[in-house]
Amino acid sequence: KNQVEQSPQSLIILEGKNCTLQCNYTVSPFSNLRWYKQDTGRGPVSLTIMTFSENTKSNGRYTATLDADTKQSSLHITASQLSDSASYICVVSDGNKLVFGAGTILRVKS
Amino acid sequence: DVKVTQSSRYLVKRTGEKVFLECVQDMDHENMFWYRQDPGLGLRLIYFSYDVKMKEKGDIPEGYSVSREKKERFSLILESASTNQTSMYLCASSSHLAQGQGGYEQYFGPGTRLTVT
Repeated sequence: KNQVEQSPQSLIILEGKNCTLQCNYTVSPFSNLRWYKQDTGRGPVSLTIMTFSENTKSNGRYTATLDADTKQSSLHITASQLSDSASYICVVSDGNKLVFGAGTILRVKS
Repeated sequence: DVKVTQSSRYLVKRTGEKVFLECVQDMDHENMFWYRQDPGLGLRLIYFSYDVKMKEKGDIPEGYSVSREKKERFSLILESASTNQTSMYLCASSSHLAQGQGGYEQYFGPGTRLTVT
């Protein structure tokens, strides 16, 4: 069964600290992997899309990594800000269909 | 900038009512999608459409129907709302370059939080 598992479910960090969110998937075949940020009460907004050949992709303070062999991805947030407080959703595509993870809720506190 | 708008941010309806959720996108996208989002679960696809008057069932179509009469507008209809349809509903759109969900970037609306009492 195609699944996307994210960990941790929730996380609290202090402003200025770094953090890493994890995503493991069993989706096959693999087409691409996306990370979305969803602010409370808003729709998800894309941070990165990675294909099979990409190991690392950055978007400002966000860096996503992909290991297609172990079917794992991570999202690293550097020097966190209060505005990073949101749910982060990992989404894997098999080329035809998207499989969504349940998300990691990040809270950054001052 | 792509803009996807949804007709209501919050909606409260009674059991048995017919409910219409409207979605409009301004990027001339062929593909449009309706999802529901519940705590602890990933987004689940209800229906999608890759062209005017075309529709395809997603993973959880039961209790829902859709209408796509114009390219920019995709409506989700709850024929007889039930309490288990209380949820956040998200609309999304994407380019036609790949049919179905998987090909290209999806742009989401702000969501409609529906409560059925």
